[in-house]
Amino acid sequence: EDQVTQSPEALRLQEGESSSLNCSYTVSGLRGLFWYRQDPGKGPEFLFTLYSAGEEKEKERLKATLTKKESFLHITAPKPEDSATYLCAVRSNFGNEKLTFGTGTRLTIIP
Amino acid sequence: KAGVTQTPRYLIKTRGQQVTLSCSPISGHRSVSWYQQTPGQGLQFLFEYFSETQRNKGNFPGRFSGRQFSNSRSEMNVSTLELGDSALYLCASSPAATDTQYFGPGTRLTVL
Repeated sequence: EDQVTQSPEALRLQEGESSSLNCSYTVSGLRGLFWYRQDPGKGPEFLFTLYSAGEEKEKERLKATLTKKESFLHITAPKPEDSATYLCAVRSNFGNEKLTFGTGTRLTIIP
Repeated sequence: KAGVTQTPRYLIKTRGQQVTLSCSPISGHRSVSWYQQTPGQGLQFLFEYFSETQRNKGNFPGRFSGRQFSNSRSEMNVSTLELGDSALYLCASSPAATDTQYFGPGTRLTVL
C-alpha cells in the first residue's frame, strides 16, 4: 500500500527565515508526486507536480525537489502570507492509481 | 476559467438522515474525485469518476455512494448519517483520470 509521511508536523519560522519541508513516500512505481497548499477552511490549492527523480520546480518563494524516496519543499525568505498547511500526495502506476495524501505540515511565519 | 464549485458549502444534519453533496468540475475536466478530510485522518479518498463510470473506490462503507452525470457534474450521497461523518468533503477535478487534480472549496458537513 502507498504511504506518505510528512515532517515536521508543524513549523514556526520568523519572516525571512528559510527552511524545508519533507515528504517521504513508499509507492509501487511513482506516476506523480503532488504538492498542495491549504488554508484553514478551504480546499487544497495546487502547487507542483513532480514526475521523476532529479526534477525540480519553482514558484515564487517555493521550490520542490524529488528523489527516489522523498521530496522537499524549500521555502526561501518566507512571508506571513506563506502560512498554511502544505500537503504532499503520490499517485502510483499500479493498483487503483488513487492519490494518497500525507497529513501535512502546518507552517506559521511570524512577522 | 471558473474553478471547481461545490454546493452547499455548509450543512447541518442529524444522525440517521441522508445527505447529497454536489460538485461541478472545471470546464472540460472529465474526472471527478471525492475526499473526506478530518483533523485526525487527514484527506481520505472516497471515489473517482471518469466519463460517468466509477474508476476507483476508497475504503469507506456502502453508505457512501456517488455518481457522475454526462456533463461531468458529480454528486455524492451519504445515507444513515453517523456522528463520525462530520468532516470537510472535498471534490477535485482533472482533465483525465491520472492528471493533476484541482480542488473545490469543500462542503463542511456537521452531524448532530
